Amino acid sequence: EAAVTQSPRSKVAVTGGKVTLSCHQTNNHDYMYWYRQDTGHGLRLIHYSYVADSTEKGDIPDGYKASRPSQENFSLILELASLSQTAVYFCASSDREGEQYFGPGTRLTVL
Amino acid sequence: GEQVEQLPSILRVQEGSSASINCSYEDSASNYFPWYKQEPGENPKLIIDIRSNMERKQIQELIVLLDKKAKRFSLHITDTQPGDSAMYFCAARDYGNEKITFGAGTKLTIKP
Repeated sequence: EAAVTQSPRSKVAVTGGKVTLSCHQTNNHDYMYWYRQDTGHGLRLIHYSYVADSTEKGDIPDGYKASRPSQENFSLILELASLSQTAVYFCASSDREGEQYFGPGTRLTVL
Repeated sequence: GEQVEQLPSILRVQEGSSASINCSYEDSASNYFPWYKQEPGENPKLIIDIRSNMERKQIQELIVLLDKKAKRFSLHITDTQPGDSAMYFCAARDYGNEKITFGAGTKLTIKP
């Protein structure tokens, strides 16, 4: 079965600090995505990647960077965390057929 | 880019009745339409999808309809059960495009 893991699962960060969220997939998928979900709301695309060493901006990239060092790994970086970035972050992977497999999510709280 | 509108945002139905969620999209190039179910504290999981070469697809109590001319698709859950209570998201993707656009979600509650 498809497997996407995320670390950490939960994090508390201070305003202005640097946060790195990691995602690892064993699906051999080319595409990987980072979404944020605010309580009771939908999924908004932050960054995505369709090949290692390349990333693309999604719909809400401001304040976030992404890194895809290998096919299996995709990181989301908040250089200067802000209160407004408190949310649950989901990583996902997919192949060209379209189905996205989501990781378990990372709950980020910025204080 | 693609925009997906999903309605209603909140839906409450009696157990045993049907529930319907409607989505519309803007990009005529979109040709893959998945539906995801998300339970509290969990990640979204694919429950059914439909591609543009189909108009209707059914998996057990789940029915998806696609009207490409109107750029609308819908999810129908027949004979709803308490376990159907969850958030549901529709989405649209252009096959071969890396991006998938999600609707804002529908919170479905099944009343006993």
